[in-house]
Amino acid sequence: DGGITQSPKYLFRKEGQNVTLSCEQNLNHDAMYWYRQDPGQGLRLIYYSQIVNDFQKGDIAEGYSVSREKKESFPLTVTSAQKNPTAFYLCASSRQGEVDYTFGSGTRLTVV
Amino acid sequence: SQKIEQNSEALNIQEGKTATLTCNYTNYSPAYLQWYRQDPGRGPVFLLLIRENEKEKRKERLKVTFDTTLKQSLFHITASQPADSATYLCALTGFQKLVFGTGTRLLVSP
Repeated sequence: DGGITQSPKYLFRKEGQNVTLSCEQNLNHDAMYWYRQDPGQGLRLIYYSQIVNDFQKGDIAEGYSVSREKKESFPLTVTSAQKNPTAFYLCASSRQGEVDYTFGSGTRLTVV
Repeated sequence: SQKIEQNSEALNIQEGKTATLTCNYTNYSPAYLQWYRQDPGRGPVFLLLIRENEKEKRKERLKVTFDTTLKQSLFHITASQPADSATYLCALTGFQKLVFGTGTRLLVSP
């Protein structure tokens, strides 16, 4: 079955540590996206990538970094510079020319 | 500034009734408007897309309307079931990306 896999589902991090969230898709989609979701707020775009080796900052990129070395993979690193990292992180992908997204199941990150 | 507004209060209805959710937007001229369903602890799932030149779209028990003059979309679920209970998000197509509303939680009671 094709889809997007995010791992891990739950992640705990100590303050001051960097952590990387995994996102892999086997849908052959060109574009991939990272969103953050907080209670009572809509999904906010962190980074997105339309093609391999290229990505753009979204609305809340500060304290995050990404890479897109392979079409299937778009990992997100939450750095120690992110002041409020506890949130639900969602990865999505879409086909070239299509506007609907396929989402992963999300990673819940908690800073302890 | 650009805004997408959905009713933050939960909508409670009885099984069998029609649920109607509203999405209003300002300072956008979207080519498309989409609706997603999100269950707790899960990612959103795409339901329907409507284009700016379409007034209405249907899919099984779902119906979406899109009024670009009022800058509003209505999302209807007819003959609602408890399994329809979830949060429903509207999303507008911005430049190369989707922008989401905060969502409205729907609770369907048996």
